[in-house]
Amino acid sequence: GAGVSQTPSNKVTEKGKYVELRCDPISGHTALYWYRQSLGQGPEFLIYFQGTGAADDSGLPNDRFFAVRPEGSVSTLKIQRTERGDSAVYLCASSPGGGREQYFGPGTRLTVT
Amino acid sequence: QKEVEQNSGPLSVPEGAIASLNCTYSDRGSQSFFWYRQYSGKSPELIMFIYSNGDKEDGRFTAQLNKASQYVSLLIRDSQPSDSATYLCAVRYGGSQGNLIFGKGTKLSVKP
Repeated sequence: GAGVSQTPSNKVTEKGKYVELRCDPISGHTALYWYRQSLGQGPEFLIYFQGTGAADDSGLPNDRFFAVRPEGSVSTLKIQRTERGDSAVYLCASSPGGGREQYFGPGTRLTVT
Repeated sequence: QKEVEQNSGPLSVPEGAIASLNCTYSDRGSQSFFWYRQYSGKSPELIMFIYSNGDKEDGRFTAQLNKASQYVSLLIRDSQPSDSATYLCAVRYGGSQGNLIFGKGTKLSVKP
């Protein structure tokens, strides 16, 4: 079956601009996670959705970051007023349920110039 | 601070040997443990998960968990050059709602 998909695969934006990153999870997976990964580091948790609601957003670094999952499937991560320090690979993962194994998408490489 | 520690490597083994990758974690309440493989420029790929003390085998891979020592390992038998990648250990802590804490990964190099 189809895995997790993410678009775009690459995004280059200027400092101060707004970006949206999209994640389409594995069909039937109720849990969806966003992580970001910097070079040489493991993925760092951002936010977790169970269904439509954000069950844990404790990893969002500040209020410039926001994510939604309005219909319990596709999710969008939104970053306002981007900064150069936001440059990273943003990974989405989905899971059959909270606490279960997570499967990652290919990621979106965000570069803020 | 919940932490997951891995030796960054690189760990170099000859083709056909057993590669042993180790991970320690800080919270005794941890419930679930995962190993991911990540090729350069690619996203993490789930290899193994283990929830109970002891060994779990899947093909050439064996995950070992010792909760008393807060230690989890991954053994790769008959290592192949295609196993060369970074291996990430991830832990789901008790009380968390599902997010994983990752180590920085161990880079494995299998020499032909």
